[in-house]
Parts: sequence; structure tokens; C-alpha cells
Amino acid sequence: GIQVEQSPPDLILQEGANSTLRCNFSDSVNNLQWFHQNPWGQLINLFYIPSGTKQNGRLSATTVATERYSLLYISSSQTTDSGVYFCAVITYKYIFGTGTRLKVLA
Amino acid sequence: GAVVSQHPSWVICKSGTSVKIECRSLDFQATTMFWYRQFPKQSLMLMATSNEGSKATYEQGVEKDKFLINHASLTLSTLTVTSAHPEDSSFYICSAGLRPGEQYFGPGTRLTVT
Repeated sequence: GIQVEQSPPDLILQEGANSTLRCNFSDSVNNLQWFHQNPWGQLINLFYIPSGTKQNGRLSATTVATERYSLLYISSSQTTDSGVYFCAVITYKYIFGTGTRLKVLA
Repeated sequence: GAVVSQHPSWVICKSGTSVKIECRSLDFQATTMFWYRQFPKQSLMLMATSNEGSKATYEQGVEKDKFLINHASLTLSTLTVTSAHPEDSSFYICSAGLRPGEQYFGPGTRLTVT
């Protein structure tokens, strides 16, 4: 089956710093989505991005499907950005990546 | 946007008992719902696909007799953990949507088996 790996697994930032999270997948996919899981466990949809680049405020994402990766950029990080970030490849089901655990320090 | 709810939010049960978790789509109908399990500091793993009016489809390695799924209506799917044991303690999340690429996730149910 498709493998979805994320890096780094853990990340600590000072408030205001920028970061890039990476999602690699092992096979060609048509759909990919980025989520933020908050400390209470709720998955929050960030981007549905099968290809190209999208931006929403301080967050942006880029997927290069032909090279089997996607990137999530967080600029001017805030403490509320803390949590776990997952990418998920979408076939008939969602295949979640390994996650990046982010902690933003005040 | 579409909302998916779960009940209860958290539950503690004794080993050997059964517990039922509900997943509801509040403002749309869903012929298919998905159930995921997430262990601490791990990713989400799909357990099964719940199909309205028919049997659920379980992922490899998931015991269908232990995790009973019923999708009795277009807005409700239930997951029953039968004869629960401490190793079943986990965070269970459901999702529903109008199509596979547009899923909405419930807030999750934290199960602790003592």
C-alpha cells in the first residue's frame, strides 16, 4: 500500500519563527489534504491540495504530485499553532502520514 | 460547513464490558462513514468503512467480531467495542462526507478500559 512519511517528527519553535513541514508519499496520488490536530484531538482541515500552491493567512501549502511530496509552510508561528500536523493521501480512503508534532514557545 | 458529531466524548469502562460510540452527520446524509483509531502519539489508522444498509468493510487485522459497526440510517453509524480490554484503550474518530475526497471528521471519543 501507499506509504506516507512526514518530517520532521518533532519541531519546537519560538513564537514568530517560520517553518516548513514535509510530506512524502510512495506512489502517485490524485488527492492530498493537510490537517491540524488540536490538543483536544479534533482534526481541522487546513488544505485540500492535490497539486499546486494554496495560501490561507499565515499558512500555505504546495504539492508536487509528480515528485510525490507536499510541503506545509507556517509563517510567523503562534502558540496556538501547536499541535500535530498530518497530511493524508486520499484514495478510496484517507491514508494518514506519520505526523509532525509542533510546539511553539511564547 | 458540514458537521460530524460523536458521542460520548470520553468513556471509561471496565474490562470485559462493551461500549457503544455514536457518529452522526448533523446536516447532511452519508451513505458511507469511516472509523479510525489513534493510539497516543501515533497516526490515525482506518479500522473500517461503514456502509448504510449493508455490512461494514474492515481493514486487514481489525477483528470484526470485536468492533461491531452498524450504519442503520443515513445520519448515524455506531461502533461497539465488545468485551473491551485495556489494549482497546484509544482515541476513536469517525468521518463522513458526500464523497471520499471531502470528509468531515468528528471530534473523537477517548476510550479508557480499566
